[in-house]
Amino acid sequence: SQQGEEDPQALSIQEGENATMNCSYKTSINNLQWYRQNSGRGLVHLILIRSNEREKHSGRLRVTLDTSKKSSSLLITASRAADTASYFCATMDSSYKLIFGSGTRLLVRP
Amino acid sequence: DTEVTQTPKHLVMGMTNKKSLKCEQHMGHRAMYWYKQKAKKPPELMFVYSYEKLSINESVPSRFSPECPNSSLLNLHLHALQPEDSALYLCASSQDGGMSTDTQYFGPGTRLTVL
Repeated sequence: SQQGEEDPQALSIQEGENATMNCSYKTSINNLQWYRQNSGRGLVHLILIRSNEREKHSGRLRVTLDTSKKSSSLLITASRAADTASYFCATMDSSYKLIFGSGTRLLVRP
Repeated sequence: DTEVTQTPKHLVMGMTNKKSLKCEQHMGHRAMYWYKQKAKKPPELMFVYSYEKLSINESVPSRFSPECPNSSLLNLHLHALQPEDSALYLCASSQDGGMSTDTQYFGPGTRLTVL
């Protein structure tokens, strides 16, 4: 079953702009992860943030986690056309199962 | 080698056919997963194998039968499927399956169409 919701469902931006996606979840978590999926293909792990962390960076990616609000955000800075993909947050529950959010479809226009 | 491979890439089958999906990894991972993904939806967990034993079955119908012959291979046997089973089937692996920092590595998926 789906753990949480992401918004927006779809996002269209110009190359060079920043993209922000939000994720909300329902239950307590061990960690929260973000994955990218190019159209109809497998998922690629982007970043993991533990429940006791508030912010994490990886290259052009910045992830925040607010466990009091049960929410996370993914910021992609200086976007490129190659960033066009679907982005999913996923939470790991107490039985180590990964449960994905509804996803955000990002389109970066050249 | 950080790759998970899946075969076939595409599969079309009738409702009376029996077919199998295959997944392989050589990263020494001891946990392997099957997910089902419908169009424009997130992946949904079907099965988890940990150390070659089935540890999670998410109430999947018996027409889907997983098998883990060894620590590198994972199969999904399909029999008497329904058209609504058409989807992208994703395999993934992770180091342990029981660690809070476990990262899953996904294969490219098998696009299944049931006629």
